[in-house]
Amino acid sequence: ETGVTQTPRHLVMGMTNKKSLKCEQHLGHNAMYWYKQSAKKPLELMFVYSLEERVENNSVPSRFSPECPNSSHLFLHLHTLQPEDSALYLCASSHGQGSLTGELFFGEGSRLTVL
Amino acid sequence: AQTVTQSQPEMSVQEAETVTLSCTYDTSESDYYLFWYKQPPSRQMILVIRQEAYKQQNATENRFSVNFQKAAKSFSLKISDSQLGDAAMYFCAYRSGPNSGNTPLVFGKGTRLSVIA
Repeated sequence: ETGVTQTPRHLVMGMTNKKSLKCEQHLGHNAMYWYKQSAKKPLELMFVYSLEERVENNSVPSRFSPECPNSSHLFLHLHTLQPEDSALYLCASSHGQGSLTGELFFGEGSRLTVL
Repeated sequence: AQTVTQSQPEMSVQEAETVTLSCTYDTSESDYYLFWYKQPPSRQMILVIRQEAYKQQNATENRFSVNFQKAAKSFSLKISDSQLGDAAMYFCAYRSGPNSGNTPLVFGKGTRLSVIA
């Protein structure tokens, strides 16, 4: 079983649809992240969640809404998306504050296509 | 805010040869981590190597090593004895130190490495 699992791996949706991306980590981490990876652009941080706080990138449109019901699960709810939202969405997790290693562990990503 | 710059969008190397990927970063912090991640066509980001800023010794992991120049804010990755499986996108990344809370990774734009048989 991989450490960070994302579903679905591929998603095609229309602009009026509502869908969700799911991320689950089995590493005992207490921080989780959503990144967006578009062609020819750096990875963009979207959201950070931890037991202590949620950090939100102010440039993320409200059509993306995260949900973190517990430290092992993270969702990204999608509604009324635009074609430019098509991208690879990467979930990651890490130990929280005070971690001695600092690294993030990534899932395989969810490839989203908005028609 | 911290920034990470990878000035080489693409690189290629002959199989069994050595290649160096460049990375520079900008920060006012003294305690931080630097990473190289590899993203093969399978898409999953895989950690290649990690460097803690307080350590003067350059990190090594088998065929992978770094040249960490803290004063110059440079963090290059050297891949020795390149193999076909090394072909991938390589991302340099920065993260604030452990006392800075749950800070995210800041990534460079990546370098696409091709390995020629």
